[in-house]
Amino acid sequence: AQSVTQLGSHVSVSEGALVLLRCNYSSSVPPYLFWYVQYPNQGLQLLLKYTTGATLVKGINGFEAEFKKSETSFHLTKPSAHMSDAAEYFCAVRLGGNGNKLVFGAGTILRVKS
Amino acid sequence: GAGVSQTPSNKVTEKGKYVELRCDPISGHTALYWYRQSLGQGPEFLIYFQGTGAADDSGLPNDRFFAVRPEGSVSTLKIQRTERGDSAVYLCASSEPGDGSYEQYFGPGTRLTVT
Repeated sequence: AQSVTQLGSHVSVSEGALVLLRCNYSSSVPPYLFWYVQYPNQGLQLLLKYTTGATLVKGINGFEAEFKKSETSFHLTKPSAHMSDAAEYFCAVRLGGNGNKLVFGAGTILRVKS
Repeated sequence: GAGVSQTPSNKVTEKGKYVELRCDPISGHTALYWYRQSLGQGPEFLIYFQGTGAADDSGLPNDRFFAVRPEGSVSTLKIQRTERGDSAVYLCASSEPGDGSYEQYFGPGTRLTVT
């Protein structure tokens, strides 16, 4: 079975500081991995995804993530936090087999302090 | 272009009642998904349609939940005899068919409250 663990339900950083949101997954097959962001009362928006190829993937709004197979991790980073980054972030892994359903982590709420 | 839309945005119903939640996917997307997001949790898969047929309904919690997509576009999630535990945000997503690398585009969700 595939699962996703996000370490830290809440993360607080100062504006301009590094953002690091942690995600570990378990998968019996090579995974497709995704990070989504959810702003209050809005749907989920894709930040970035890893399917195959380069393990360091860049996404929107200056975010990036690195797929580390040996650590089964896909942590999300951004060098300098902005107030507008305050939101909830979800890591997800695609289940193989029939269809493309996603398994999500519990989410991490990012707070950015001025 | 238009994204995924869901109606209603909010639904309050009494325990035991029947509700229908509607999803309009992005035009041309043949894959459609329903997820449920309970408070403080990530979305959980309910059902996946490829075209008109339900390709995977393994996430439906019980037989009170049912979904249809008769013409391969709009989908309706139906919940019978609602219970307070059904209260959650119901999310719909659509994507192009493929190998799973395609992005799923999410709608804003329907917040269901069962009193």
